[in-house]
Amino acid sequence: GNSVTQMEGPVTLSEEAFLTINCTYTATGYPSLFWYVQYPGEGLQLLLKATKADDKGSNKGFEATYRKETTSFHLEKGSVQVSDSAVYFCALRDSNSGYALNFGKGTSLLVTP
Amino acid sequence: EAQVTQNPRYLITVTGKKLTVTCSQNMNHEYMSWYRQDPGLGLRQIYYSMNVEVTDKGDVPEGYKVSRKEKRNFPLILESPSPNQTSLYFCASSPRQMGNTEAFFGQGTRLTVV
Repeated sequence: GNSVTQMEGPVTLSEEAFLTINCTYTATGYPSLFWYVQYPGEGLQLLLKATKADDKGSNKGFEATYRKETTSFHLEKGSVQVSDSAVYFCALRDSNSGYALNFGKGTSLLVTP
Repeated sequence: EAQVTQNPRYLITVTGKKLTVTCSQNMNHEYMSWYRQDPGLGLRQIYYSMNVEVTDKGDVPEGYKVSRKEKRNFPLILESPSPNQTSLYFCASSPRQMGNTEAFFGQGTRLTVV
């Protein structure tokens, strides 16, 4: 079946530090990959997505590249801000599972001034 | 404003007392689903609906019911809640169930069963 594995948190960084959150996946078909972000007290919202190999999704300074050869979709940001403190979820949709969203367990990020 | 609205946001109840969490979307989406979020487990799908009168079980359906009588509403029903259903619940909707479609989430309902 499909699965998504994310690095365990929490991750604590100083403002302006470089961020990487690792995400790897297992899928039987050709999945689309997503990063969702959950700010404190809120629901999840889409941060970025990529629908095929070598695509790069980007939004708000965050980037992730769909790497089929390593089955990865790592999230990166060059300079984090305090306002980036949130929980980040990697997810996939795959035709072989009816396009249901499969989420990783989430990575909590805390950015300190 | 396009949104998914859940009510209530917070609920404390006692074991065995039936409850309903409502979910409504104003985007004319066909696909709706319910998730529960638990520490260390991430989000797990409870039930989903591909369209009106079409519902199916997700990964953790035990103890829950749903209905989809109208396109915009997808209530989650706990007939006899138990403490292991204490969790944070999210409703989500999508235009359709395709590979690249974005899911829109409600703000969540924090349920405590004592």
